[in-house]
Amino acid sequence: QVQLQESGPGLVKPSETLSLTCTVSGASFISYYWSWIRQPPGKGLEWIGYIYYTGSTNYNPSLKSRVTISVDTSKNQFSLKLSSVTAADTAVYYCARHGDFYYFDYWGQGTLVTVSS
Amino acid sequence: DIQMTQSPSSVSASVGDRVTITCRASQGISSWLAWYQQKPGKAPKFLIFAASSLQSGVPSRFSGSGSGTDFTLTISSLQPEDFATYYCQQANSFPFTFGPGTKVDIK
Repeated sequence: QVQLQESGPGLVKPSETLSLTCTVSGASFISYYWSWIRQPPGKGLEWIGYIYYTGSTNYNPSLKSRVTISVDTSKNQFSLKLSSVTAADTAVYYCARHGDFYYFDYWGQGTLVTVSS
Repeated sequence: DIQMTQSPSSVSASVGDRVTITCRASQGISSWLAWYQQKPGKAPKFLIFAASSLQSGVPSRFSGSGSGTDFTLTISSLQPEDFATYYCQQANSFPFTFGPGTKVDIK
């Protein structure tokens, strides 16, 4: 079955860059969109952006200036970089898959990233 | 951005109750709406797409309806495993946005 797994540091200092990787197994990487979504503690969900297997991207305008999503199809992985982080970026970060209709059908378990000195 | 609102923000119900959650979009999104269920410490689970289509494996007691700006999620007979927070999400236009969630807890 399709599985997504986030990995990366759980603690990042203010002003530094948050970096996470999502590894996909049990499914073809081709022909799907791969997104990052975050959820601050006790709050709702915010879509960060997606990458298509070809490398094309689309970012949430609220984060666009700080976000880069990249893909490595040879490893079935895609990655998130969020620069100049502040405490407001503290959240559980999820990776997720969607098809042409933009519904998120598979999610990773999520990883908590805390921004603190 | 399209703003999504949900009501109520929380509801207390008993096993066997019928529960209805409402989601409203700030502008028309046709039927481009999904519903998710999230339990504490877990990732959201995909329940319904295209406003009313049940994802494979989701129990038939869940149903969705609506189009345009107003949508509902109904649980016909609440089961113990249904106590969770439910989110709607619009898939009509970028950026994708979610509602603030409705928590269903035990009365």
